[in-house]
Amino acid sequence: GAGVSQSPRYKVAKRGQDVALRCDPISGHVSLFWYQQALGQGPEFLTYFQNEAQLDKSGLPSDRFFAERPEGSVSTLKIQRTQQEDSAVYLCASSWGGAGELFFGEGSRLTVL
Amino acid sequence: SQKIEQNSEALNIQEGKTATLTCNYTNYSPAYLQWYRQDPGRGPVFLLLIRENEKEKRKERLKVTFDTTLKQSLFHITASQPADSATYLCARVISSGSARQLTFGSGTQLTVLP
Repeated sequence: GAGVSQSPRYKVAKRGQDVALRCDPISGHVSLFWYQQALGQGPEFLTYFQNEAQLDKSGLPSDRFFAERPEGSVSTLKIQRTQQEDSAVYLCASSWGGAGELFFGEGSRLTVL
Repeated sequence: SQKIEQNSEALNIQEGKTATLTCNYTNYSPAYLQWYRQDPGRGPVFLLLIRENEKEKRKERLKVTFDTTLKQSLFHITASQPADSATYLCARVISSGSARQLTFGSGTQLTVLP
């Protein structure tokens, strides 16, 4: 596709449910990032992949959060046993690597009731 | 701790004036700084990148400066227009081998008044 695609755009979950958020990066992009953005705040780093390798997961807030990119393209962010504090927009970004610009998707807005 | 801070949460200016946004960092010198624009309900969009050995970078009506002595980057929009109203984010980039860290500030919401 022409840009980074994220799905679903909106997700409402009941507390305790598991959710999975998908990211389709730009074809050929080596680097893939997940960020969490609360209302009125900047994006907070969650995790970084280079191809299929998860090189940095220091930003994942708890062991309920899990990300994978098994074939080095599509990535999934999974949140188990969702809590209200998980409500946020989850942004995915990809890039060629190095220090180049990130291309962001439109985000997945998660609301946990 | 390593932080990146944007001084103003909100900035209102009159159309035609120059908007200046500030990004400060502490305790380290980032290899690069990037600036992004974010509109409501959308993902951030890249605007400019400036390296630590560059003093200034320009793109159309945009200008970014990088002062490693002051540990500060300034982002200018000249001849501002209402369409420039958005949240502007700065991000520090540190690359080391295969690792990359890209950390964002909290953003400055710019409103250009007609």
